[in-house]
Amino acid sequence: GAGVSQSPSNKVTEKGKDVELRCDPISGHTALYWYRQSLGQGLEFLIYFQGNSAPDKSGLPSDRFSAERTGGSVSTLTIQRTQQEDSAVYLCASSLTGRNSPLHFGNGTRLTVT
Amino acid sequence: GENVEQHPSTLSVQEGDSAVIKCTYSDSASNYFPWYKQELGKRPQLIIDIRSNVGEKKDQRIAVTLNKTAKHFSLHITETQPEDSAVYFCAAIPGSSNTGKLIFGQGTTLQVKP
Repeated sequence: GAGVSQSPSNKVTEKGKDVELRCDPISGHTALYWYRQSLGQGLEFLIYFQGNSAPDKSGLPSDRFSAERTGGSVSTLTIQRTQQEDSAVYLCASSLTGRNSPLHFGNGTRLTVT
Repeated sequence: GENVEQHPSTLSVQEGDSAVIKCTYSDSASNYFPWYKQELGKRPQLIIDIRSNVGEKKDQRIAVTLNKTAKHFSLHITETQPEDSAVYFCAAIPGSSNTGKLIFGQGTTLQVKP
C-alpha cells in the first residue's frame, strides 16, 4: 500500500516568509510524528499526535513552529517568519498505535531558507 | 526527559567483520528500543526492535541486546557487507510519561570497506 507521503519534496524560501509542509500518513495509522534533520545530524523530535489526544509539542524549538492534524489524518507543519537556521530536512512519520509500534517515515521535505 | 546517547559516532570495518553500536538511555521505565538504518539521501527504516521483556533478539545477521539494569542496548551486525554502509540510529520511548514520542540517539556512520 501507499507509504507516508510528504509535500513538497523541496522548498526554497526567503528569510522571513512563512512555509507550510504537508504530511499524509499511512491510512489507519493513529500516530503521527514530525522530526527535523539538519545536514549530517540526527533526528530531532518536534511534535507527536496520537488519535484525539492533545499533541506532545515538547520538541517545537520556538513559537514560530506549529502543527495541526486535521481529522486524525493529514498533518501540516507551519514555520512562520523563517530563519536560515530553519534550513533542514523535515521528516514526517506515522505508526499504527503510537507506543511501541514501528515508525514509517516519509521521504521528507528539504527546506532551504535563503 | 529521556536522553539517548549513542557510540561510536563513526565506525569503519572490513567486509566480513562484525560491527557493534552501543546506546544508553536515561528513563528506567522505557520499554521499547528500535534501531533504524538511513542510507545516504533516503528515509530512515526500521531494521530491528526489542521490547523490555526480552534480553536479545536476532534477525539473520542483525541482533540487538538489552541490559535493563545498566540501561543500555546494542546493535550487532555480523559478516558485514558493503551494503550495510549507512547511518544507524537507536531510539527509545520515554516510559514514565504518556507520550509515544521516540527519542533518537545521535547516529553512527558505519562504513564497510570491501
